[in-house]
Amino acid sequence: EVQLVESGGVVVQPGGSLRLSCVASGFTFDDYAMHWVRQAPGKGLEWVSLITWAGGRTDYADSVKGRFTISRDNSKNSLFLQMNSLRPEDTAVYYCARDMGDYGDQFFDHWGQGTLVTVSS
Amino acid sequence: ETVLTQSPGTLSLSPGDRATLSCRASQSVSSNYLAWYQQKPGQAPRLLISGASSRATGIPSRFTGSGSGTDFTLTINRLEPEDFAVYYCQQYGSSHTFGQGTRLDIK
Repeated sequence: EVQLVESGGVVVQPGGSLRLSCVASGFTFDDYAMHWVRQAPGKGLEWVSLITWAGGRTDYADSVKGRFTISRDNSKNSLFLQMNSLRPEDTAVYYCARDMGDYGDQFFDHWGQGTLVTVSS
Repeated sequence: ETVLTQSPGTLSLSPGDRATLSCRASQSVSSNYLAWYQQKPGQAPRLLISGASSRATGIPSRFTGSGSGTDFTLTINRLEPEDFAVYYCQQYGSSHTFGQGTRLDIK
């Protein structure tokens, strides 16, 4: 069974930093690209970032470009999101999601349950 | 960026009814790379449809995706109580964007 489990969400002050993690199980992690998607309270889904199977290509939404960094450790079946210079508008549940392919240009066939990041003073 | 506009914002129907949800793209979606997801309160989204019309594993046949180019539709026949949720479309033909969602409420 495919499982994705996020962690690392906390309350952080504006301007602060945070690192989210997502641990995968039940599939061969390095066969797939991975994504982060967020959802602000009561709002819709917003794609945040992707990373290809080996980490050779990454991409970001304009809203986080230059502040967030996606990475992965295939030896530990883990995906990460380093979030710097956090703003109140970054407050959201952050989901990791598996891409159907290895290049990050497909749909998302499995999602984690999400971790809540709150940016507030 | 390809903007997706979903309509209506909220749809109020009864169990047994047919639901028709629309997703319109600001430009043609490459290769009809359009997916639909269902999200219930407190849960992660679940994949329903990919490639505009291919049902995901385990999705009941009452869910049907159709359309091409810039206009796409999700039809749910004979609504079941568990179908009342929020539905999102996503295009993955040019980066990734989501529509704003359609809430399907019980009338």
